[in-house]
Amino acid sequence: QKEVEQDPGPLSVPEGAIVSLNCTYSNSAFQYFMWYRQYSRKGPELLMYTYSSGNKEDGRFTAQVDKSSKYISLFIRDSQPSDSATYLCAMSMNSGYSTLTFGKGTMLLVSP
Amino acid sequence: DAGVTQSPTHLIKTRGQQVTLRCSPKSGHDTVSWYQQALGQGPQFIFQYYEEEERQRGNFPDRFSGHQFPNYSSELNVNALLLGDSALYLCASSFLAGQETQYFGPGTRLLVL
Repeated sequence: QKEVEQDPGPLSVPEGAIVSLNCTYSNSAFQYFMWYRQYSRKGPELLMYTYSSGNKEDGRFTAQVDKSSKYISLFIRDSQPSDSATYLCAMSMNSGYSTLTFGKGTMLLVSP
Repeated sequence: DAGVTQSPTHLIKTRGQQVTLRCSPKSGHDTVSWYQQALGQGPQFIFQYYEEEERQRGNFPDRFSGHQFPNYSSELNVNALLLGDSALYLCASSFLAGQETQYFGPGTRLLVL
């Protein structure tokens, strides 16, 4: 079993839909949880960064962490074609210096 | 404020050759980490440098080595290239004592023929 599991997709939705992306993990030592967006052939761009359990909202994006279930989610409201990308979840045990463990990424396609 | 920069953007090498990739961290950051991302996979941690020392290392062979300079920039060297080394190599920077996570550069795409 991999440390971080993420459905690779692709996930296809129409413009304006609410998108739900998820990851599960096995290592209970993870304390920091991130979502990165990666456009084709580009580097990952940090979207959301949360510590421990709870919700965090930033514009159209909401990140949820449930440490008891070892489950994290990213919700995208009013999805746009420009949201089409691969979404990578990542997690670490500490903040600035800790190594990141990534999922495989979920490819999202938003059609106009 | 310049973000993380990497050079070159693309590179083609043949098996057995050696390659050097370069990274400049985001302003204010002192820690550089390198990741390898194979096609269709998430990034895999190679190693991390802080104060010019290798601080942590992932499950990569000794063919992968690095260096950090006094200005915090870093190099990744790969010797005796294999076909399986073809990947996107990502540099990420952070501030060791900070509460932020790592920010990534655009990557260097390496193709080994």
